[in-house]
Amino acid sequence: AQSVSQHNHHVILSEAASLELGCNYSYGGTVNLFWYVQYPGQHLQLLLKYFSGDPLVKGIKGFEAEFIKSKFSFNLRKPSVQWSDTAEYFCAVVIYNQGGKLIFGQGTELSVKP
Amino acid sequence: DTEVTQTPKHLVMGMTNKKSLKCEQHMGHRAMYWYKQKAKKPPELMFVYSYEKLSINESVPSRFSPECPNSSLLNLHLHALQPEDSALYLCASSQAVASGQETQYFGPGTRLLVL
Repeated sequence: AQSVSQHNHHVILSEAASLELGCNYSYGGTVNLFWYVQYPGQHLQLLLKYFSGDPLVKGIKGFEAEFIKSKFSFNLRKPSVQWSDTAEYFCAVVIYNQGGKLIFGQGTELSVKP
Repeated sequence: DTEVTQTPKHLVMGMTNKKSLKCEQHMGHRAMYWYKQKAKKPPELMFVYSYEKLSINESVPSRFSPECPNSSLLNLHLHALQPEDSALYLCASSQAVASGQETQYFGPGTRLLVL
């Protein structure tokens, strides 16, 4: 079965530190990739997405992600985190032409210390 | 406007009650979804509606009954739930489901507690 793995369960950083959250998926065919963020008490929001083209995609709030097909990876990065980035981050995959089912990773809780 | 609204925000119900969750979007999207999210876990897909027809049911127990009265509205009817059904129920919508190249926009959820 297709699955999504997020390497880190909980990441703690100080403000201005750089962030990289790992995401790997297990499916050999065409996928569409997403990162969603869930701030405390708020709903899931789309950070960025990759469908095709340039494998380096930029999202909102200074986030970017790189799709590396050979590694089945879609890691999320931000050069300098802020306290307001404290949230739960979910990587998600949709298998192309399979009904739109989003498969989520387990999530990474990011805590940024001021 | 990428807003999906859900009512109620919170719901407490007994195991013999019947209640309904409501979801609405006015973005012209033709695909709508129900997800269940337990604390500290990712959302899990329950149902997908495409053009008002049920296209995916992820083997959800029959005590959950979805309904899509029109393209803007999605309901989830609840009956005889169990305490383990307590969770955040999320609704999402997207333009379509055809290829998967559509972004799903999520509502704020209904936090359900079953006593």
